[in-house]
Amino acid sequence: GAVVSQHPSWVICKSGTSVKIECRSLDFQATTMFWYRQFPKQSLMLMATSNEGSKATYEQGVEKDKFLINHASLTLSTLTVTSAHPEDSSFYICSARELARGSSNQPQHFGDGTRLSIL
Amino acid sequence: SQQGEEDPQALSIQEGENATMNCSYKTSINNLQWYRQNSGRGLVHLILIRSNEREKHSGRLRVTLDTSKKSSSLLITASRAADTASYFCATDAAGGYNKLIFGAGTRLAVHP
Repeated sequence: GAVVSQHPSWVICKSGTSVKIECRSLDFQATTMFWYRQFPKQSLMLMATSNEGSKATYEQGVEKDKFLINHASLTLSTLTVTSAHPEDSSFYICSARELARGSSNQPQHFGDGTRLSIL
Repeated sequence: SQQGEEDPQALSIQEGENATMNCSYKTSINNLQWYRQNSGRGLVHLILIRSNEREKHSGRLRVTLDTSKKSSSLLITASRAADTASYFCATDAAGGYNKLIFGAGTRLAVHP
């Protein structure tokens, strides 16, 4: 089945550090990937839609200069949390949809998430 | 709110019992999807039901969709301790560029 790999799975760093999270589709191509944020015991909140070869589309209230998204190829999207602060600590999850399956009625495939802790 | 509503927020049952979770949403949809999340992990896709479908089965899972009421339900029959997880519905809104909007989720605990 379709596999999405997310790296790193866990990161702890000091306040002010920038952190890059990678999301890779291992066995399929994805023109579109999605980035979510999840606080403990809460649901997933969509942050942005990452489009290969173009600018990401951010949801209302998400700072694009804070959360930089790059989708340089059909199998890789990255999310960089710039100058991270403790309030950015959260669980970040990416997902991707297969390009080859053109119908909109296809599930998304999720990575295992990245737990970010800012001290 | 970006999210739809799910109920119950938490459900605790014994092994062998059935578990029913409900989801309501706000917009017209292409499809509705149910996902499972084990603690601290990513999401696993369970079932996708299209807007023109009313019921779908997969193993011990049964999903219904009522577009007139903008609601869906997930039934897990003969539950097992391994079913313990959080369950989320997510809607793929019509004209929404395939982005998913998640419900608040139901935390299911199945006790041996």
